Amino acid sequence: GAVVSQHPSRVICKSGTSVKIECRSLDFQATTMFWYRQFPKKSLMLMATSNEGSKATYEQGVEKDKFLINHASLTLSTLTVTSAHPEDSSFYICSALATSGRAGTDTQYFGPGTRLTVL
Amino acid sequence: SQQGEEDPQALSIQEGENATMNCSYKTSINNLQWYRQNSGRGLVHLILIRSNEREKHSGRLRVTLDTSKKSSSLLITASRAADTASYFCATFRTGRRALTFGSGTRLQVQP
Repeated sequence: GAVVSQHPSRVICKSGTSVKIECRSLDFQATTMFWYRQFPKKSLMLMATSNEGSKATYEQGVEKDKFLINHASLTLSTLTVTSAHPEDSSFYICSALATSGRAGTDTQYFGPGTRLTVL
Repeated sequence: SQQGEEDPQALSIQEGENATMNCSYKTSINNLQWYRQNSGRGLVHLILIRSNEREKHSGRLRVTLDTSKKSSSLLITASRAADTASYFCATFRTGRRALTFGSGTRLQVQP
């Protein structure tokens, strides 16, 4: 099946630093990727939709200047948590939308997630 | 976006028993999907059922969909300890493209 990778899988940083998380579709192209956030024992909440070649679309309540998204190519989207604070500690999961080809139609493939801990 | 609800929130059963989880949602949908998540890990896609389907099977999984009631159920038969995980339903509708996840059910299968 189609594979999506995330890097890093785990990151610990000091308060005030910025952290970049990469999401890659390994064997298919994805013009659309999604970033979700998950708190412990909670469900996934959509943060933003990442569109290749254009600006991301953020969900209500998500600060776009805080969570910078760049979808630079058809296989890579990055989420940068700027000036991270302890309340940003969470599990961040990306998914890539396959719209054609072997990967399937309108099927989302999820990355393994990134555990961010801000001290 | 408003998320759907799943019940029960937590379920503990013995190995070999069946586990049933329910999901309700709020809007019209194109399809509904079920995912499994082991603690601290990513999501594993289990099964997709389209809005014009009522029931679907995959191995030990059986999914039903009632669009008139906006609800779905996931049945895991002959459960195993390895089935211990959180299970989420997620709905997909044209125009939104992102999935909307339910609140999840934490399943514990005792060996």
